[in-house]
Amino acid sequence: KAGVTQTPRYLIKTRGQQVTLSCSPISGHRSVSWYQQTPGQGLQFLFEYFSETQRNKGNFPGRFSGRQFSNSRSEMNVSTLELGDSALYLCASSLDGPTSGNTIYFGEGSWLTVV
Amino acid sequence: KNEVEQSPQNLTAQEGEFITINCSYSVGISALHWLQQHPGGGIVSLFMLSSGKKKHGRLIATINIQEKHSSLHITASHPRDSAVYICAVRGSQGNLIFGKGTKLSVKP
Repeated sequence: KAGVTQTPRYLIKTRGQQVTLSCSPISGHRSVSWYQQTPGQGLQFLFEYFSETQRNKGNFPGRFSGRQFSNSRSEMNVSTLELGDSALYLCASSLDGPTSGNTIYFGEGSWLTVV
Repeated sequence: KNEVEQSPQNLTAQEGEFITINCSYSVGISALHWLQQHPGGGIVSLFMLSSGKKKHGRLIATINIQEKHSSLHITASHPRDSAVYICAVRGSQGNLIFGKGTKLSVKP
C-alpha cells in the first residue's frame, strides 16, 4: 500500500511570496498532521486535520494555514514568506490522529528554502 | 527549559554495544512516541507508549509516568541503526511536543 506522499519535495521561494504544500495520506487514514523542522527549533507541530476539520493547532502565526479535502488529502499554505520559514515540512497520517493509539506514518517531507 | 529533554544529544557507539537514549518531560502527557529519522528527512514511528515497556526486535522502550521519564534501548547495535532518535509527548491539548533529538552513530 502506498505511503504518505508529499509534493513538491524541494522548492525555493522568495521572501513575500506564498507557498502551498500537498500531502496525500495512506489510503483509509482520516487524520493528517503537519510539522515544521528546522535546525534551531527542531520539530514543531503545526496543525492536525481530521475529516476536513482542524482538530488541533500549534503555536504558529496566522500566515500558516491548512485544509483537508473530502478524500483526506491535505494542503498547507504559508503566506508572506519569511527567511525563517525555510525548513523541512513534514506531513503524517494515521487512522485517527497522533493523539490516538494509532501509529503515525510520516511522508518524506517538503524542503522549503526562502531566499 | 524545554518541555521535552533528551540525552545525550550525540552518541557514538561501536557495533554490538548496548545503547540507551533518555527522554524526560515536564508536562502532563497521555502518551509518548519514539521516532527515528534517517539522513534525508524520512521519519519512522518506532513506539507509542502510555505505560510500561514495549519491545520490537532489538529495540526496547520503557516509560515511568510517575518520574516523567522514558528510555529507548538498542541491543547489539549495528551501523544501520545510525540515525536521529526523537522523543515526542502527546500534551494535554492533543498536540505533539518534540525533543531536540539524539544523533546516534554506530561504527563498524
